[in-house]
Amino acid sequence: AQSVTQLGSHVSVSEGALVLLRCNYSSSVPPYLFWYVQYPNQGLQLLLKYTSAATLVKGINGFEAEFKKSETSFHLTKPSAHMSDAAEYFCAVSLPIKAAGNKLTFGGGTRVLVKP
Amino acid sequence: NAGVTQTPKFRVLKTGQSMTLLCAQDMNHEYMYWYRQDPGMGLRLIHYSVGEGTTAKGEVPDGYNVSRLKKQNFLLGLESAAPSQTSVYFCASSTFAPDRQETQYFGPGTRLLVL
Repeated sequence: AQSVTQLGSHVSVSEGALVLLRCNYSSSVPPYLFWYVQYPNQGLQLLLKYTSAATLVKGINGFEAEFKKSETSFHLTKPSAHMSDAAEYFCAVSLPIKAAGNKLTFGGGTRVLVKP
Repeated sequence: NAGVTQTPKFRVLKTGQSMTLLCAQDMNHEYMYWYRQDPGMGLRLIHYSVGEGTTAKGEVPDGYNVSRLKKQNFLLGLESAAPSQTSVYFCASSTFAPDRQETQYFGPGTRLLVL
């Protein structure tokens, strides 16, 4: 079975500062990894995904994440925070196996507050 | 193209009442999912479907039933609601590809309060 741990349920950053959200995973086979963002009172939107191609993945809104197999990590970063980045972020994992049904296992989420 | 829609947006139930949540997608996706979101726990999979007429249990299926009679619709039922089922429910859908992970597209959610 796979699992995801997001370190820090809340992160506060100043506008213009680096955003770093941490995600570690556990999986019996090399997984696919995702970051989703949820704005207040909305559904989830895909930021980026890793599917065994390049280990550095670029997503929307200036976010990127690096897959590190040796550290079982998939941390999300953005060089300069914007007020519009205030949201909750979820890391998720799935198994690249047809029988797995494309299912996602989510971490607990990290809520980002951006200070002016 | 509305994507994934959910009905209703908000509902209040009394303990023991029943209700059905409707999810509809217009993207011709094969796979559909129901998740619940609770503070600090992320999203947890309740049930999912890999095609019309098929359903399977997810991580937290107890107290819920589902049906997928039409490809575009996925219904989530609560036969006898309990306060522990107070949550935000999200539906998602994705297409299927045998050699890659397809993105799941999420609906806007249904807030359910069980008193």
